[in-house]
Amino acid sequence: DTAVSQTPKYLVTQMGNDKSIKCEQNLGHDTMYWYKQDSKKFLKIMFSYNNKELIINETVPNRFSPKSPDKAHLNLHINSLELGDSAVYFCASSQGGNFYQPQHFGDGTRLSIL
Amino acid sequence: DQQVKQNSPSLSVQEGRISILNCDYTNSMFDYFLWYKKYPAEGPTFLISISSIKDKNEDGRFTVFLNKSAKHLSLHIVPSQPGDSAVYFCAALESSNTGKLIFGQGTTLQVKP
Repeated sequence: DTAVSQTPKYLVTQMGNDKSIKCEQNLGHDTMYWYKQDSKKFLKIMFSYNNKELIINETVPNRFSPKSPDKAHLNLHINSLELGDSAVYFCASSQGGNFYQPQHFGDGTRLSIL
Repeated sequence: DQQVKQNSPSLSVQEGRISILNCDYTNSMFDYFLWYKKYPAEGPTFLISISSIKDKNEDGRFTVFLNKSAKHLSLHIVPSQPGDSAVYFCAALESSNTGKLIFGQGTTLQVKP
């Protein structure tokens, strides 16, 4: 059983389009995260939700909007896609209340902007 | 400004020998560190962690050492196996209130049979 699953795995689209990436976790965690891994391979936190409440909101263009319909889901919507948005996006989850617990990652969504 | 650095982009070792992966950090307030392993086309998977109250944590073939005065940690893999070939990320917990992790840029380990 996949613990943290992201869809789609690959996303190829044109500049200017709007797209969404979905993430679901079945670990019973109450905190979920979105990370971006750029071409230099850095993994950087973008957002985090704890019990559907936004708790981390890094300096990210407001074209990126996370949405958490419930504790098990955290989706990422991106408006007006730009070339620089090409990256691998990882979703992760952890048990909140004690952040000294490892985060569990999905397998990533590779976004390519043409 | 990068607060967690892995200065060696790659490392190659022979099967059976020791692999040592290094990580430096700049923020002395960091009190929890993790190592993740990542295979191509997969997400990072948690390997081992260490709290700043310890200087060593061991789990099977994997040992993490923490030198707080030098702001340095290292991951030792003994003996190395070909299946250990992957990218290894060091991470520091920046905030225990939010779970924010700061990652290094990763070291690609190749273990040759």
